[in-house]
Amino acid sequence: AQSVTQLDSQVPVFEEAPVELRCNYSSSVSVYLFWYVQYPNQGLQLLLKYLSGSTLVKGINGFEAEFNKSQTSFHLRKPSVHISDTAEYFCAVSDHTGGFKTIFGAGTRLFVKA
Amino acid sequence: GAVVSQHPSWVICKSGTSVKIECRSLDFQATTMFWYRQFPKQSLMLMATSNEGSKATYEQGVEKDKFLINHASLTLSTLTVTSAHPEDSSFYICSAPTGTGTSPLHFGNGTRLTVT
Repeated sequence: AQSVTQLDSQVPVFEEAPVELRCNYSSSVSVYLFWYVQYPNQGLQLLLKYLSGSTLVKGINGFEAEFNKSQTSFHLRKPSVHISDTAEYFCAVSDHTGGFKTIFGAGTRLFVKA
Repeated sequence: GAVVSQHPSWVICKSGTSVKIECRSLDFQATTMFWYRQFPKQSLMLMATSNEGSKATYEQGVEKDKFLINHASLTLSTLTVTSAHPEDSSFYICSAPTGTGTSPLHFGNGTRLTVT
């Protein structure tokens, strides 16, 4: 079985500061890793994904994440955040054996302050 | 890009009535769709996997008779909350993979259900 742990429930940060949202996973098989963003009362939007290859993945809105197999982590980073980045961020894992079934972490609320 | 349309975006119903939520893949065929439930300030909980032409697969603890899922075509899955109660009030989100080997999920915008 797979699981995803997001270590921070809330992350407050000032505008233009860097941010890292942490994610650890566990799985007995190879997995695909994703970060999604959710704005209030909306569905989820894909930020980026790791499928294979380069461990540093770049996504939309200036976000990037690094897959670390030895530490089973997939932390999300942005060098300079904007007010508009305030949202809920979800780390997720899926594998082929589950037919694309995706398990989500508990979410991290990023709050960007002026 | 691939689009998943979910309808309605919000609904208010009286206790004891049933509510149907539709999830459509607009520009791709989806043999599989997933239904999630999200409580306020919480993560998404997978309720069931909807399979075109066959029975849905429900996650442990999800009542099959309460949350009826039908996937009658390659572009439409429906979730019916039967005999709704206030505790069923929640945000329901559907999603679908585009079907390629490494595709992520595409999400509908969700349905806010309030049962009075």
